[in-house]
Amino acid sequence: QQQVRQSPQSLTVWEGETAILNCSYEDSTFDYFPWYRLFPGESPALLIAIRPVSNKKEDGRFTIFFNKREKKLSLHITDSQPGDSATYFCAASAGFASALTFGSGTKVIVLP
Amino acid sequence: EAAVTQSPRNKVTVTGGNVTLSCRQTNSHNYMYWYRQDTGHGLRLIHYSYGAGNLQIGDVPDGYKATRTTQEDFFLLLELASPSQTSLYFCASSDLDRSSYEQYFGPGTRLTVL
Repeated sequence: QQQVRQSPQSLTVWEGETAILNCSYEDSTFDYFPWYRLFPGESPALLIAIRPVSNKKEDGRFTIFFNKREKKLSLHITDSQPGDSATYFCAASAGFASALTFGSGTKVIVLP
Repeated sequence: EAAVTQSPRNKVTVTGGNVTLSCRQTNSHNYMYWYRQDTGHGLRLIHYSYGAGNLQIGDVPDGYKATRTTQEDFFLLLELASPSQTSLYFCASSDLDRSSYEQYFGPGTRLTVL
């Protein structure tokens, strides 16, 4: 049973457009939702994260929108740049000392 | 910034072979993790540990053993490797005791089982 689901599997946008990545989860005890970014040949790295006390978190061109009632969240990449081309993973954990459960990832391609 | 290193970076073995993947972190983090990354499956947790001598089972533990010998070192053991274990393996560490949930990942080990 996949507890964290991501869609779409891949996404192609033009430079300057907004890329929208979706994530949903099953476990209502999840209370921490980070997004990790993986460039080819590199290591996953934390991009941005949110906790359910907020329904929005912004960091530059990256924004998480969170809907606790529907158990859904999305990552918006505004003014997409070719350098944003990467695979983005949504993840979730429940409680302070719990391991992360990752989604299957969304591969984003930004065309110049 | 946390430093996590992995060795070897690439490994080729045959079915039934014995493989050990090594991970070391030098920032005194309590938690260490082993993941495998496969297209369409994302990052899947194999085993993790919250300290020397401790081991917790992850989501896909079958065919894998792990051992945490020190706070710095975490090993993943494949005693009878199978082609289904061909994957990219990442080690990560974090320090949850400091209220930081961020995981720092190593560079990965690409394992091929023929």
